[in-house]
Amino acid sequence: GENVEQHPSTLSVQEGDSAVIKCTYSDSASNYFPWYKQELGKRPQLIIDIRSNVGEKKDQRIAVTLNKTAKHFSLHITETQPEDSAVYFCAALYIFGTGTRLKVLA
Amino acid sequence: EAQVTQNPRYLITVTGKKLTVTCSQNMNHEYMSWYRQDPGLGLRQIYYSMNVEVTDKGDVPEGYKVSRKEKRNFPLILESPSPNQTSLYFCASSLLGRKETQYFGPGTRLLVL
Repeated sequence: GENVEQHPSTLSVQEGDSAVIKCTYSDSASNYFPWYKQELGKRPQLIIDIRSNVGEKKDQRIAVTLNKTAKHFSLHITETQPEDSAVYFCAALYIFGTGTRLKVLA
Repeated sequence: EAQVTQNPRYLITVTGKKLTVTCSQNMNHEYMSWYRQDPGLGLRQIYYSMNVEVTDKGDVPEGYKVSRKEKRNFPLILESPSPNQTSLYFCASSLLGRKETQYFGPGTRLLVL
C-alpha cells in the first residue's frame, strides 16, 4: 500500500521568511496530492492540491511542486505570517503524512 | 450549508463500555472514512466506505467497526473500548474518484479510562 513520509516534523521561521515542507510517497500509481492545514483545535482543511499531470501549482503565497520521477512533493509558503502557524499535512490521495508543526515567529 | 457533522464532540468512557460515534454528511458524497489523530502519528485511516453497504479496512482497523446503511451516515463503533483508543477521531467524506478532496468533520475527542 501507499506510504507517505513528511519532513520536518517541526519548523520555526521568522515572519516574512519562507517555509518548505517535503513529502515522499511510495506508490507510483498515486495521482492526487492534497495539502491540509490544521489550526489548533480545528479540523484539517484543504489549502492546495496538485494532480499528477502538472509539476507546480501556485495560489498566492502558497505553492506546491511535484516530482513524479522522484516521488516527492513539497509545499512552499512565502512571506510567512503569524496566522500561518499550524500543523500541515501532506497526503497521497487518502494516506496522510505525519504532519509538520509550523511556527511563525513575529 | 454543506457539512460533515460528528457526535458527540467529546466523550469520556470506561474500558469495555460500547460506544458509537456518529458521522453524517449532506453533500451526497459516496466516499466516507474515519481517521484517528495521535501526536506524532498524523492521521491514520481506520475504515472507509466507497458507497452504501461497501466498507473496507484502513491502516488501523483493530477494535473498531463501521456500517454504511445509508449514504449520508457512517457511524464508528467501539464494541469494547480500551485506553489505547483514547484519541481524536475525524470523519471525512468526498466524491468518489481518485482525485477528490476530503471534507472533515469537527472531530470527536475520546478518552477511555
